[in-house]
Amino acid sequence: GAVVSQHPSRVICKSGTSVKIECRSLDFQATTMFWYRQFPKQSLMLMATSNEGSKATYEQGVEKDKFLINHASLTLSTLTVTSAHPEDSSFYICSARNRGLYEQYFGPGTRLTVT
Amino acid sequence: AQSVTQPDIHITVSEGASLELRCNYSYGATPYLFWYVQSPGQGLQLLLKYFSGDTLVQGIKGFEAEFKRSQSSFNLRKPSVHWSDAAEYFCAVGGPNSNDYKLSFGAGTTVTVRA
Repeated sequence: GAVVSQHPSRVICKSGTSVKIECRSLDFQATTMFWYRQFPKQSLMLMATSNEGSKATYEQGVEKDKFLINHASLTLSTLTVTSAHPEDSSFYICSARNRGLYEQYFGPGTRLTVT
Repeated sequence: AQSVTQPDIHITVSEGASLELRCNYSYGATPYLFWYVQSPGQGLQLLLKYFSGDTLVQGIKGFEAEFKRSQSSFNLRKPSVHWSDAAEYFCAVGGPNSNDYKLSFGAGTTVTVRA
């Protein structure tokens, strides 16, 4: 149980284009989903928290107009990187928690490369 | 504010030997504590968690951790390491003081297993 999937696992896009990453909870209803960014050999940096049906809450320093997060259902959240630039290249990981539980379950991550 | 310190950046251990990873936390009340493991290019897998009760917690893959309030620590142990345990390990803290279910992660400890 508690499986979270992400799609795509890898994506390469050109500078200036937008990329959408999907995060799905496969066997539970995700009351809250989180989006993280991870640089090589570093820890996870929380970008935003989203609750189903509500606007995402962004961490300080994260551009909400650049990283659009939608949590339209209890099993799906999407992160859209708009007008991507090479500095947006990174490993993006989502996680989800079930109602009544605290722990987060993580997706396998998406490697974004912007050329 | 909540935070986690993992003092060891890199640990090398021989296969079959014991392993202990250190984690110190800062939290204003009784914390919720977690250990996650990340294999290269993958998401994070929950090894174990502590919320309350017995301070010695058993997890998956033969791992255990002990909560010591007096030392603000939650060290992870495994009696006999297997080559497949080579990975990045993250300690995380959250807790009932926050209603946003955020976790704060340590910087991680890289474990190398030598034959």
